[in-house]
Amino acid sequence: QVQLVESGGGVVQPGRSLRLSCVAAGFTFSSYSMHWVRQAPGKGPEWVAVISKDGSIQYYTDSVRGRFSISRDNSKNTLYLQMNSLGAEDTAVYYCAREQGSSGRYEIIAYWGQGTLVTVSS
Amino acid sequence: DIQMTQSPSTLSASVGDRVTITCRASQSISSWLAWYQQKPGKAPKLLIYKASSLESGVPSRFSGSGSGTEFTLTISSLQPDDFATFYCQQYHSYPWTFGQGTKVEIK
Repeated sequence: QVQLVESGGGVVQPGRSLRLSCVAAGFTFSSYSMHWVRQAPGKGPEWVAVISKDGSIQYYTDSVRGRFSISRDNSKNTLYLQMNSLGAEDTAVYYCAREQGSSGRYEIIAYWGQGTLVTVSS
Repeated sequence: DIQMTQSPSTLSASVGDRVTITCRASQSISSWLAWYQQKPGKAPKLLIYKASSLESGVPSRFSGSGSGTEFTLTISSLQPDDFATFYCQQYHSYPWTFGQGTKVEIK
């Protein structure tokens, strides 16, 4: 079955960087676009970024564009999120997520990891 | 960006009740709308996609309808396991956006 396991969260000071990883199993990783979605404490989910199957196309939400970078290594079945210039507003559980189908267009998120908590605090 | 607005924010209901949640998009998203259920400490769970398609394994008491800018999620007979927070989300265009959520509480 589909498994997505995030790691790399923790407490980080404002202005610093952090890299999240997500190891995928149970499916052909290179066949699916992948997403990061975050959820601040007590708030609803916020979509963060998406990367295409081959890694050539990325989109970001406005609040992280220029600071965050999504990437993938299909040989390692791993998705990454490099987060720079972190601020308190980035404190959240970060979820790795896979689309329902492999067409790469108008596919919804159907599979989620367990999430990894990022806390930005001095 | 497309804004998604859900109503109500909180809903108190009893087991067996018919429950309806509304989601409105700030511009037309055709039928590219999903509904998720989330329980505390867990990731969201996909219930409905493409406005009215039921995800595999989801009970048939859940249904979705609408297109363009107005959408609804209906639970035909509320069950104890259904008390949770529900979110709509558009995937018509990036950045994808979620509604603010509707918490279904026990009356």
